[in-house]
Amino acid sequence: EADIYQTPRYLVIGTGKKITLECSQTMGHDKMYWYQQDPGMELHLIHYSYGVNSTEKGDLSSESTVSRIRTEHFPLTLESARPSHTSQYLCASSDQGLEKLFFGSGTQLSVL
Amino acid sequence: GENVEQHPSTLSVQEGDSAVIKCTYSDSASNYFPWYKQELGKGSQLIIDIRSNVGEKKDQRIAVTLNKTAKHFSLHITETQPEDSAVYFCAHVTGNQFYFGTGTSLTVIP
Repeated sequence: EADIYQTPRYLVIGTGKKITLECSQTMGHDKMYWYQQDPGMELHLIHYSYGVNSTEKGDLSSESTVSRIRTEHFPLTLESARPSHTSQYLCASSDQGLEKLFFGSGTQLSVL
Repeated sequence: GENVEQHPSTLSVQEGDSAVIKCTYSDSASNYFPWYKQELGKGSQLIIDIRSNVGEKKDQRIAVTLNKTAKHFSLHITETQPEDSAVYFCAHVTGNQFYFGTGTSLTVIP
């Protein structure tokens, strides 16, 4: 059973608010990822990290930022949320050298 | 990213029938092909995977086949049950990157 957690599960906020989506894993995985997914669409990689103090942008341009100060924690921040940011955000992790990707339960973000 | 075509986008089957979902990819360097099941409120879970040196892998009612020459791989679910209803995503891995299909919404009708 994978131990990767995302909070909050659902978030409804107003335009212009700053938000942070939390993601934590207790498996000691080096690699962590953030995906954005709209209904009926594929997952798009927006950020990834291969270890502490390592962060990279993914294939899909995103106005969000991430940090990786600790191995187990990979938060995603939106400085000023807009309605176009409404989407589901999925966090995932995998072990260095292994390819199995473990997903969190996701955060459904709605920006009004 | 590398293209992954997944078909069909929606699939309805009667309980007990089989379901097949197909994915086609373009990168010949891909060497790992996982399938994920996404249920509402449960996130996405790896259900089966296959590596490029294997043509078929089976786990109880679920199987995956891989044709590297044709660059396609398929998920097969036999004896479907209502709890199999979910969205299924294929993926392929090139280097360190995962590339996902667009998903198939499977509905198993009791």
